[in-house]
Amino acid sequence: GENVEQHPSTLSVQEGDSAVIKCTYSDSASNYFPWYKQELGKRPQLIIDIRSNVGEKKDQRIAVTLNKTAKHFSLHITETQPEDSAVYFCAAGLTGFQKLVFGTGTRLLVSP
Amino acid sequence: DADVTQTPRNRITKTGKRIMLECSQTKGHDRMYWYRQDPGLGLRLIYYSFDVKDINKGEISDGYSVSRQAQAKFSLSLESAIPNQTALYFCATSAQKGKRDNEQFFGPGTRLTVL
Repeated sequence: GENVEQHPSTLSVQEGDSAVIKCTYSDSASNYFPWYKQELGKRPQLIIDIRSNVGEKKDQRIAVTLNKTAKHFSLHITETQPEDSAVYFCAAGLTGFQKLVFGTGTRLLVSP
Repeated sequence: DADVTQTPRNRITKTGKRIMLECSQTKGHDRMYWYRQDPGLGLRLIYYSFDVKDINKGEISDGYSVSRQAQAKFSLSLESAIPNQTALYFCATSAQKGKRDNEQFFGPGTRLTVL
């Protein structure tokens, strides 16, 4: 079955810096890669996703890149702000099938 | 607003007790999921259901059972709770078709402590 590894487990940056979180997956059939953000005490929420027919996707300060050959994908946050502090989860799955395997999460701390 | 709700939000129980966690949704989604979250382990899938008559085991189903009573309700049971089932449990839903058909919408979570 699918296995998703996520690094780093914690990441501390200064406000305004960029942050990068990386994930690798094992099943070459996976074609859908979402990222969820979980603020302290809150439920996870989708922030961006990418499908395997696209190499990069951007939404304001966040972007996701996908390298199908290497089976890894990354979340990039630019100009970080304190409200970006949260746990971020990557996941992998199949479009239409909707069963996701999640990574172990990255706790991002943005200091003012 | 359409939402996913979970009851109870917090529960403390003793080893060996049977406990049920309930999930309801008003999103009209047909697909529902149960996950548990443990520090350092992320979100792990326990069971999922793609419609009322379809129940599937996830990666960590041992010690758990589920019931899909209706399209809008999906319950998780621990027949005989043990301490290592102490965790934060999330229910989630997704739509089979539509503009956001891959997005999973999570409930607020149930924090379960087994003593």
